[in-house]
Amino acid sequence: EVQLLESGGGLVQPGGSLRLSCAASGFTFGAYAMSWVRQAPGKGLEWLSGIGGDGETTHYADSVKGRFTISRDNSKSTLYLQLNSLRAEETAIYYCAKDLGYLIDTVALGSWGQGTLVTVSS
Amino acid sequence: SALTQPASVSGSPGQSITVSCTGTSSDVGPYNLVSWYQQHPGKAPRLMLYEVNKRPSGISYRFSGSKSGNTASLTISGLQAEDEADYYCCSYATSKTYVFGTGTKVTVL
Repeated sequence: EVQLLESGGGLVQPGGSLRLSCAASGFTFGAYAMSWVRQAPGKGLEWLSGIGGDGETTHYADSVKGRFTISRDNSKSTLYLQLNSLRAEETAIYYCAKDLGYLIDTVALGSWGQGTLVTVSS
Repeated sequence: SALTQPASVSGSPGQSITVSCTGTSSDVGPYNLVSWYQQHPGKAPRLMLYEVNKRPSGISYRFSGSKSGNTASLTISGLQAEDEADYYCCSYATSKTYVFGTGTKVTVL
């Protein structure tokens, strides 16, 4: 059974940083692309970033490009998202999701974690 | 920019409903790479369809998809109480990113 467990969320001040982790199990982690998606309270889903199975290819939404960095450690079956220069409006639940394919080109996020809440407030 | 979906769609049990998802020539138009997600309150999203009309294992045949030009559609036939949820479309974009729709609340009357 595929399991994705996010951690690292919490309260951070505007302008601050946070590193999210997503521990994966139940599948060959390096064989699949992964993505981060967030959802502000009462709002819709927003795709943030994706990374290919080998970690070499990454893509970002314009809203986070240059501030967020996605990475993965296939030896630890763990996905990461470094969040810098956070803004109040980025308060949201951050989900990691497993793609159906190896590259970031299927738009098929077949498995999701339960999310970790990031609150940006002074 | 987010794909455009109606804010809400409703139907009676047993009926069929369709949720539209309108994009542009930079996302929905050029690719048959549209997926749909169901999200119940307080829960993580669940993949319902991918590549416009393919169903992952375990997803009911009552869910189907189509695409014409810049607009994709999700149809739920034989509407059931458990189908009441938020639904989001998602498309691949020429910028090599994924873009979600604005979301539609489906209500079973």
